[in-house]
Parts: sequence; C-alpha cells; structure tokens
Amino acid sequence: NAGVTQTPKFRILKIGQSMTLQCTQDMNHNYMYWYRQDPGMGLKLIYYSVGAGITDKGEVPNGYNVSRSTTEDFPLRLELAAPSQTSVYFCASSYPSGGQTQYFGPGTRLLVL
Amino acid sequence: AQKITQTQPGMFVQEKEAVTLDCTYDTSDPSYGLFWYKQPSSGEMIFLIYQGSYDQQNATEGRYSLNFQKARKSANLVISASQLGDSAMYFCAMRAFNAGNMLTFGGGTRLMVKP
Repeated sequence: NAGVTQTPKFRILKIGQSMTLQCTQDMNHNYMYWYRQDPGMGLKLIYYSVGAGITDKGEVPNGYNVSRSTTEDFPLRLELAAPSQTSVYFCASSYPSGGQTQYFGPGTRLLVL
Repeated sequence: AQKITQTQPGMFVQEKEAVTLDCTYDTSDPSYGLFWYKQPSSGEMIFLIYQGSYDQQNATEGRYSLNFQKARKSANLVISASQLGDSAMYFCAMRAFNAGNMLTFGGGTRLMVKP
C-alpha cells in the first residue's frame, strides 16, 4: 500500500500560470480532501469529495478547482496563480464510517513568484 | 463554527520524561471527533490518535494517550517516555459530524526533546 501519493513535491510558478496538483490513493477510501498549510499555521480545507463525481467547497476554495472522476484520483487545479497561493498543499483520504480518520499525503510545496 | 486552540507555541521536554500538549475546543455539535497529528521537520502529517465524543474511555496508542475532559472541552495529548524522534510540530484537530467533513486544526505546538 502506497497510501496517499502527491506529485509534484515542489514547484515554482510565475504569477498567472496554471497547474494541476495530482493526488492518488490506493486505500479505496471514498472521501478525499485538499488542504493548504501556510507557514507556521495549521491546515485549512480547500475542497473535499465524498465520492466520484461529487465535490464540495471547504473553508478556502477561491482560486482553486477540483474534479473527481475516479475513486483513486482527486486533482487540484490552480487556474491563475497568485503569490497568496504560496503554500504547502496536502491531500488526504478517509473512509466514510467510524471516526473518519484522515490519512495525508507527503505534501506539495508551491512557490508563486 | 468549530474552533481549536493550542496555547503552547513551543515546549521543551527532557528525553525519557512525559509531556502534555494542551488542546481546547469549541463546538455546539454533540457528536464530534478529536484527532492529534504529528508533523516532523520532513513535513508529512502523521495520524497519532483519535477520540470520539461519546467514547467512555480515554484513547491510548502506544506511548500516546489522550486526556479527554468533555465538560472542560479539552483534549490534551500525553506523550510518555519522550524520545528524540518526538521532536516535531503537533496539531490538534476536530471534526464535528453535523458540520460536514472538514477537519478544523489548531495552530500547533512545537515540541523539542532535549537529550
């Protein structure tokens, strides 16, 4: 089991560029999430999905888009990168039952200049 | 709205001693879950322990235990016999079951273990 994998590990973007952060999980979890972590802070939820074809906004969705075409994959799209999107992005997944403990990927560090 | 407060930005502990990391929470939802995560300098988020609001006993996982005091709305993490590898950021988080699937995180506590 690889768990939750994310690519790339690190990326530098210029203002206005677009990119997609990839997230894949092999635990057959229904629920998947995207968080961002700014320096010295806790994580904030961007988007989440309770299954293929179903997505919903979290606390800080502006500037991002997501899609969920399969159980395994949950990509995060940045359309017009801004310096405020400089952050570390974490993808997570969980089962829908029990405590719904979320298991995190290793993170993608994004720098927008 | 849910809120998690971690009042200790940084703490030192001597190797082999126990340490308590504080966490208080606020929610009006009667059904919720509390989580602790460890974030070492390498950056990954590692799940440590979970406590449900209706659980009768405090959760334990190896050297980690959660001191759950529901009336005081606190969920402190206790690490026994600290090791050098315990040096990391520790985040308390909560999920209120009627508030969707969002984990609300505290600001974290940086724990440093002295040899």
